[in-house]
Amino acid sequence: ELKVEQNPLFLSMQEGKNYTIYCNYSTTSDRLYWYRQDPGKSLESLFVLLSNGAVKQEGRLMASLDTKARLSTLHITAAVHDLSATYFCAVDVRAAGNKLTFGGGTRVLVKP
Amino acid sequence: EAGVAQSPRYKIIEKRQSVAFWCNPISGHATLYWYQQILGQGPKLLIQFQNNGVVDDSQLPKDRFSAERLKGVDSTLKIQPAKLEDSAVYLCASARGVLNYGYTFGSGTRLTVV
Repeated sequence: ELKVEQNPLFLSMQEGKNYTIYCNYSTTSDRLYWYRQDPGKSLESLFVLLSNGAVKQEGRLMASLDTKARLSTLHITAAVHDLSATYFCAVDVRAAGNKLTFGGGTRVLVKP
Repeated sequence: EAGVAQSPRYKIIEKRQSVAFWCNPISGHATLYWYQQILGQGPKLLIQFQNNGVVDDSQLPKDRFSAERLKGVDSTLKIQPAKLEDSAVYLCASARGVLNYGYTFGSGTRLTVV
């Protein structure tokens, strides 16, 4: 059974500082996704990582994938209040029929 | 392109009552998913459809949950009878096909069972 674990579960950030969220998964995956969820809202796609060594960046967020270590990281550079949200990673395994298995989420709160 | 439509947005019912949720995926998307998201947790897959056939319903509590996707377009998810632990957000998602890697999520239905 595929397991996806995120840590930390909660991250209190100070504006202007850098932080990293980690996502570990238990079996070989074909694609790794990062989503953002604001309170009471649905899931907003941030990144899709397709291969080992993939790195994608959008604004203050950068995601990377190490398939050998079965690890993805979401790096936040110079945190700002607007980044407060819950971040989920999800894994998609083609052999399992293309469905997303989610981690438990990391709740991020950026304080002034 | 219109997004994934879900209704109702909110629903409050008493335990042992029944409830139904509706989802209209993006036009042309063959694959449809229902996820359950309990407060403070990540979404958990309940059922996956490919056109109007079920691909995976291994995590669907079949004694009380049912889902259908008639004509391979809209889908309904039903709970009967509801339990307190069914309180959650029910998210519908669609994708163009089994080999496609773009998933689009709807806004969800927030169910509260009292």
